Amino acid sequence: GENVEQHPSTLSVQEGDSAVIKCTYSDSASNYFPWYKQELGKRPQLIIDIRSNVGEKKDQRIAVTLNKTAKHFSLHITETQPEDSAVYFCAASSNDYKLSFGAGTTVTVRA
Amino acid sequence: ETGVTQTPRHLVMGMTNKKSLKCEQHLGHNAMYWYKQSAKKPLELMFVYSLEERVENNSVPSRFSPECPNSSHLFLHLHTLQPEDSALYLCASSPGLAGNEQFFGPGTRLTVL
Repeated sequence: GENVEQHPSTLSVQEGDSAVIKCTYSDSASNYFPWYKQELGKRPQLIIDIRSNVGEKKDQRIAVTLNKTAKHFSLHITETQPEDSAVYFCAASSNDYKLSFGAGTTVTVRA
Repeated sequence: ETGVTQTPRHLVMGMTNKKSLKCEQHLGHNAMYWYKQSAKKPLELMFVYSLEERVENNSVPSRFSPECPNSSHLFLHLHTLQPEDSALYLCASSPGLAGNEQFFGPGTRLTVL
């Protein structure tokens, strides 16, 4: 089955700086890569996703890049703000619905 | 109520008890999911239903028994659980199986004594 590794497990950044989270996956058939954000005590929510026919996708301060050859994808958050503090999960899927998640990255934005 | 709701939000049970978790989605979706979230571990997909039919059973022990009576409701029946089953159980739904965002409920925090 699919195995998704996520790094780092914790990340502390100064407000205004950028944050980068990296994930690798094992199944070369994976073609859908969503990122979920889970604030403390709340439910996970999709923040951005990318498919294998695209190398990069941006949505305001958030961007995701995908390298299919190397089987890794990354989340980039620019100009971080306190409300970006949360746990971020990457996931990979070869059939859209069976998501294999990474273990999560706890991001803390220092004011 | 809007979105995906789950009841109860917290549950404490003994290893010999039988209990059920309930999930309801008010989004008109056709697919529903159960996930297990344990501390410091990835979310684990347990079951997937599409139009009330189970399409995925991810090697889950038989002490967890799902039920999907209609596309809006999903249950997880629990019996003779183990302490290691203590976790946050999340329900999610999506419009269909193909290429859709999954919307999560708030979860049920389960503690098995």
